[in-house]
Amino acid sequence: DAGVIQSPRHEVTEMGQEVTLRCKPISGHNSLFWYRQTMMRGLELLIYFNNNVPIDDSGMPEDRFSAKMPNASFSTLKIQPSEPRDSAVYFCASSLAANQPQHFGDGTRLSIL
Amino acid sequence: RKEVEQDPGPFNVPEGATVAFNCTYSNSASQSFFWYRQDCRKEPKLLMSVYSSGNEDGRFTAQLNRASQYISLLIRDSKLSDSATYLCVVLRPLSYNTDKLIFGTGTRLQVFP
Repeated sequence: DAGVIQSPRHEVTEMGQEVTLRCKPISGHNSLFWYRQTMMRGLELLIYFNNNVPIDDSGMPEDRFSAKMPNASFSTLKIQPSEPRDSAVYFCASSLAANQPQHFGDGTRLSIL
Repeated sequence: RKEVEQDPGPFNVPEGATVAFNCTYSNSASQSFFWYRQDCRKEPKLLMSVYSSGNEDGRFTAQLNRASQYISLLIRDSKLSDSATYLCVVLRPLSYNTDKLIFGTGTRLQVFP
């Protein structure tokens, strides 16, 4: 079975540019999570969706970040405009329900120059 | 104070050694607990859930102490392949019908020959 699929795997772009990260959760999973990981702050939950509805976005850093889940098989995390401090690994994860173990994608390594 | 705290390590142990990690959590309403493993430059993966009565999976034993609000992970007969970062994860209620997984920043284990 396919796991959580994220794209792109790597992204390098200049500050000020728009960045869009994509995620396809495991089929049948009702919960989807976006995380950011850095050495300094560890793994931080940005936002999570239950049945395509955003439930908790308290971790979204600021208005430059937005996330959507238009259907059960696709989600995007957008940063506009991007800044060097946004450089991190961004993980998407999905689970059967919010209180069940999560399965992570390979992550997107984002570098903002 | 962080909601989930772990000693960052690193714990450097020889092959065959027994090593234990603790993780403390601050929210007494936390309901479920997990240990995840993360290899360098990889995504986190579920290692095991932690049950109230304690549970064992091969060389790994997880325990929960609700009174003192901590969970532990014991690894017996350490292997070189156990070298990784171990993330403590706690599920606590967010609202009446939603929960939130909180990740610790991880404990790094290095097993040497």
